[in-house]
Amino acid sequence: KQEVTQIPAALSVPEGENLVLNCSFTDSAIYNLQWFRQDPGKGLTSLLLIQSSQREQTSGRLNASLDKSSGRSTLYIAASQPGDSATYLCAVSAVYNQGGKLIFGQGTELSVKP
Amino acid sequence: ETGVTQSPTHLIKTRGQQVTLRCSSQSGHNTVSWYQQALGQGPQFIFQYYREEENGRGNFPPRFSGLQFPNYSSELNVNALELDDSALYLCASRETSGGLAQGANVLTFGAGSRLTVL
Repeated sequence: KQEVTQIPAALSVPEGENLVLNCSFTDSAIYNLQWFRQDPGKGLTSLLLIQSSQREQTSGRLNASLDKSSGRSTLYIAASQPGDSATYLCAVSAVYNQGGKLIFGQGTELSVKP
Repeated sequence: ETGVTQSPTHLIKTRGQQVTLRCSSQSGHNTVSWYQQALGQGPQFIFQYYREEENGRGNFPPRFSGLQFPNYSSELNVNALELDDSALYLCASRETSGGLAQGANVLTFGAGSRLTVL
């Protein structure tokens, strides 16, 4: 059974700091991995999607890496801003599974202080 | 701006009642998934519909059921509500072509329906 874990559960940093969020999964047979952002009481916004054949994806100040063999992914946020404050969720999609079924971690709640 | 709309945004029910939550997907999105997100937790997969048929189900009892309609709308129905059903219910859709295991699997999520069961 695939399980996804995110560490830390919560993180508070001063504005301008670079930071790393961690995600681990127990079964390396994944189709892809996604990072989402969720603002309080809101839905999810997809940030980055990494296919199983890829090692990393970048979008602006965000960089996500994927190491399937070790079951790990990291989300790197450069020069953090107060507007980055949100919960960040990673989710994996299993190979040969229903395409809309994602298995999520519990999220990391990020607070960036001005 | 999301192309997935959910209604109602908030609702309160009492234990034992039934509830219907609605989702309107983007045009052309023939796959819809529903998720339950309890407070402080990640979303849990309930089920997925593809071309109006259930295709994949998570660890949820039969009192959770759904429908998908030809106009890209869908419903989540929950019977005999329990206190633990209190959660944010998220709908997500995507366009699927050439088989369900293929595609970029980029889901578009709605803002959710917040259900409180008293």
